[in-house]
Parts: sequence; structure tokens; C-alpha cells
Amino acid sequence: DTEVTQTPKHLVMGMTNKKSLKCEQHMGHRAMYWYKQKAKKPPELMFVYSYEKLSINESVPSRFSPECPNSSLLNLHLHALQPEDSALYLCASSQERQGIPGANVLTFGAGSRLTVL
Amino acid sequence: DAKTTQPPSMDCAEGRAANLPCNHSTISGNEYVYWYRQIHSQGPQYIIHGLKNNETNEMASLIITEDRKSSTLILPHATLRDTAVYYCIVRVPLLSSNYKLTFGKGTLLTVNP
Repeated sequence: DTEVTQTPKHLVMGMTNKKSLKCEQHMGHRAMYWYKQKAKKPPELMFVYSYEKLSINESVPSRFSPECPNSSLLNLHLHALQPEDSALYLCASSQERQGIPGANVLTFGAGSRLTVL
Repeated sequence: DAKTTQPPSMDCAEGRAANLPCNHSTISGNEYVYWYRQIHSQGPQYIIHGLKNNETNEMASLIITEDRKSSTLILPHATLRDTAVYYCIVRVPLLSSNYKLTFGKGTLLTVNP
């Protein structure tokens, strides 16, 4: 299995809703990432997990709450979002092999397109 | 990570070679060049990476100049499915667990019939 699977593909939510985005991989990768991508812009890093521990938080607002319950799963919990949070949310994973060029090869999922009304 | 400069857009005829340039004049000796692409509304896809030697795989070739200040990604026979935004990223393989891959604006390659 060489894929990163993201669900749901599309999500519409109101500003008072609580929802979650899910990401799953079975490649044995121990680093997992959340990126956010607005239309016509490059992906922007939000969070990085390494061995199920949060290692990077790019000053993301607390209304986004990541969770890594095990080495194969990554969640992004959403609460009290704003319309400007509407975007494509991308999950990725990579090997955890420090100093190895191939460790910078990220495998991305197809993304979850979020619309906040 | 070193800054990269790419043209915002390029066109290529189907079946011809697509040559995508990337300038990285401040690259340091231990930084690698990585290329990803993103087809519309899909996740980015890794293409190739290299340090100083030219590299080739089933998708593309990467030509890095001798001074390493620039590189070219070559798609030898472009197809319509190669229409995408291509990102050139320069970085050091980190010696910690903090993997921070930062995307620039990239080049929109349009392959025309």
C-alpha cells in the first residue's frame, strides 16, 4: 500500500459545528503532516507529527486541533471555524530517517476540501 | 532552506520535451534539490531529487549545473496529463525530527495538444 487516504473528500460545515478530517497510511511512515492550501496558492505547513508526537505547530489557531492516535492515523479536529478557513487540507507522510535525502520525500493524500459557511 | 525562483508559467506542445528551470543561487553544499508537481485539485506528487549529479527516473530527468546555482527538470515527452504546477524545493535533509518542507509559488506548466 503506497497511498495516503483522506476522508471526507468534501466537507461543508457551519461556524458553530465540530467536525474532523481523517488521514490514514500503511507505509510504515513515522512522520505525518497537515498542510492547508488556498485557491491558487502553494500548500502551507500546519503541523508535523513524528513518532506520534507533535514536533511542529506553525502557529496554527487553536480552532484547529491535530491528533495522532497511532502511527497510521492522523486527525484534524475542527471547531468554531471561520469562512476564511475554507481550503483544501492535505495530509502527507514520510519516512522518519534523519539525515537521509529520501526522508524528504512526502507522499500526499488527495486532500479534503473544506467549506465553512 | 535556500530560496528558489521559478517562472510563473510555461507552455509546451504535447509530445515535446518540457524543460522547467529553477534558480537557487544561494544553495549550500549539503542542500538537495527536490521537485514535486500538483495536478489541479490533487495532492502534490514527488517527482525526483538530486544533490549535484544529474538524475533520471521513470518520470523525469534532473539536470543540476556544475555550480549548483540552478537546475532544470526535464519531462522528455510531455503529455496532456503533465499539465500541473511544478515546485522546485531546496533543503537540507534534516538531522532532527522536524521535517519542514516549504513550497514556493511554482511553475504552471500547460501542455497543449
